[in-house]
Amino acid sequence: LAKTTQPISMDSYEGQEVNITCSHNNIATNDYITWYQQFPSQGPRFIIQGYKTKVTNEVASLFIPADRKSSTLSLPRVSLSDTAVYYCLVGEMNTGFQKLVFGTGTRLLVSP
Amino acid sequence: GAVVSQHPSWVICKSGTSVKIECRSLDFQATTMFWYRQFPKQSLMLMATSNEGSKATYEQGVEKDKFLINHASLTLSTLTVTSAHPEDSSFYICSARDSGRAETQYFGPGTRLLVL
Repeated sequence: LAKTTQPISMDSYEGQEVNITCSHNNIATNDYITWYQQFPSQGPRFIIQGYKTKVTNEVASLFIPADRKSSTLSLPRVSLSDTAVYYCLVGEMNTGFQKLVFGTGTRLLVSP
Repeated sequence: GAVVSQHPSWVICKSGTSVKIECRSLDFQATTMFWYRQFPKQSLMLMATSNEGSKATYEQGVEKDKFLINHASLTLSTLTVTSAHPEDSSFYICSARDSGRAETQYFGPGTRLLVL
């Protein structure tokens, strides 16, 4: 299982764009990159998933360089409600077991 | 779509009692479900993988006789904490993988367990 490394914490202000980078040097060919958001006392919520290049949905964008050894979650114009812990995970999609190993995550604090 | 529920959302029990936590996939079938434990200010730790119709697979260091897992149907997995002790107090979270879409896991809201 590929291990991920993220900054422990980040600070931002409302309205700014936030980019959280995750390092996964040992990512395997069949691994996808998935980001989750977790608020206190809640289960993680799926944000976005990708394999390569760029993926965008209504809440975030995910940038993955060609070597796939890192990825960047981009949150446009954050608000106070985006204060949460963000987890980057890598895992194989097409097997019966899709075991995800959570790292420390990045604690994002958005201030007024 | 892709909603996972847990019941109860929180439970307080006396030391020595057993507690059952249910995890349900509401709008999809899940042949595989996962159980995690999370202590305050820490990340999620995978406890076991629950497979419908077969025995669960436990992570190293997790006592299978202490944490009983049953996955009797494609939409329900249960975790029973047997003879609970204060050190078992934690936030227990389940997740489910949609059998029809090999994409990702969807997480339940979690169950807060406090053992007195």
